[in-house]
Amino acid sequence: EAGVAQSPRYKIIEKRQSVAFWCNPISGHATLYWYQQILGQGPKLLIQFQNNGVVDDSQLPKDRFSAERLKGVDSTLKIQPAKLEDSAVYLCASSLGAVEQFFGPGTRLTVL
Amino acid sequence: QKEVEQDPGPLSVPEGAIVSLNCTYSNSAFQYFMWYRQYSRKGPELLMYTYSSGNKEDGRFTAQVDKSSKYISLFIRDSQPSDSATYLCAMPDNYGQNFVFGPGTRLSVLP
Repeated sequence: EAGVAQSPRYKIIEKRQSVAFWCNPISGHATLYWYQQILGQGPKLLIQFQNNGVVDDSQLPKDRFSAERLKGVDSTLKIQPAKLEDSAVYLCASSLGAVEQFFGPGTRLTVL
Repeated sequence: QKEVEQDPGPLSVPEGAIVSLNCTYSNSAFQYFMWYRQYSRKGPELLMYTYSSGNKEDGRFTAQVDKSSKYISLFIRDSQPSDSATYLCAMPDNYGQNFVFGPGTRLSVLP
């Protein structure tokens, strides 16, 4: 069974630039999550999708972050404009049920 | 007070030692308790989850939950160098959503 795929794996941008991350979840998983993991911290949930719909985006900084999940499969997370404090690993996860989440390898973002 | 707290370590033990990793939490609504392992530059992977208070064993790993004290533990027996990783506890809210992760404890098992 293929795991959660993410791209790119690494990205370096200047502050105020835009960046987008892509996630392809495990086939058949209805729930998709985006997390932000700052160095030395645990993952922080940014947004949770159930199929096409948003279940929880209470911690998504909506003035600069946006996410979509078209057709209930792939998802993209965008940051526009980026700030220095956005430097982190962005993790995508998917799940069938409410408990076990399968994580992708993450995208490591550096904002200079 | 943070919702979920862990000692960040690093924790260094010799191979074969018993390791105890702990989390405390403040939200009494948490019902599920999970332990994830995260190797360097990888995504977290689920090790174990428990629902109720008490112990749950899986091979060399034992998860323990004490809801009255809002305290959970993960024990690793006969630790191996391959267990060297960061261990994260995680809890969803009472709707199975909004997972909250602890900051993680970095473990090194020395051969």
